[in-house]
Amino acid sequence: GPKVLQIPSHQIIDMGQMVTLNCDPVSNHLYFYWYKQILGQQMEFLVNFYNGKVMEKSKLFKDQFSVERPDGSYFTLKIQPTALEDSAVYFCASSSGPGENERLFFGHGTKLSVL
Amino acid sequence: GQQVQQSPASLVLQEGENAELQCNFSTSLNSMQWFYQRPGGSLVSLFYNPSGTKHSGRLTSTTVIKERRSSLHISSSQTTDSGTYLCALEQSSNNRIFFGDGTQLVVKP
Repeated sequence: GPKVLQIPSHQIIDMGQMVTLNCDPVSNHLYFYWYKQILGQQMEFLVNFYNGKVMEKSKLFKDQFSVERPDGSYFTLKIQPTALEDSAVYFCASSSGPGENERLFFGHGTKLSVL
Repeated sequence: GQQVQQSPASLVLQEGENAELQCNFSTSLNSMQWFYQRPGGSLVSLFYNPSGTKHSGRLTSTTVIKERRSSLHISSSQTTDSGTYLCALEQSSNNRIFFGDGTQLVVKP
């Protein structure tokens, strides 16, 4: 079935560095999402993105975060600079439409470790 | 194979009736989460429930690890409960997340 790929599966960086998490969404999908899950806690919504714009973002989506999808390539989450509390697993998702009945397809996550 | 099987795929209720949603899993897990999918696609976390029973208002989640199942019970359903409910399992062997296919709930007035 359709798959969302996340690259890399694990990333280790030093605090203060920049990191870019890459997501290859389902090919005909137009809506993209990032979620964050700290170890042992629930998954939480960060942001959704459509037509080159952020549609909605949560309080967790700090000023240090940015998203883009240049020229239909990867949908990326950039964190600059990183902080220790950014350590978490980040999940990308995509869907073909915005509604509550549109299924989200999730990647398996990128584990980010900030040292 | 599919690690998480969610049922039913769809459910239609009259307002006031109770709903029981199920997830069965075939792998050992660290946690099970239940989500409600809002218009716009973002997920609202309802429960983070590795095992046992948790309550929140009209919602109850029960995870029984040795039976490899988790349920979400909605009592006295309301029209505003309509939407898609998802369960997600965190696999213990590699911490990967697997989602069920969702249950589309329609509550009629």
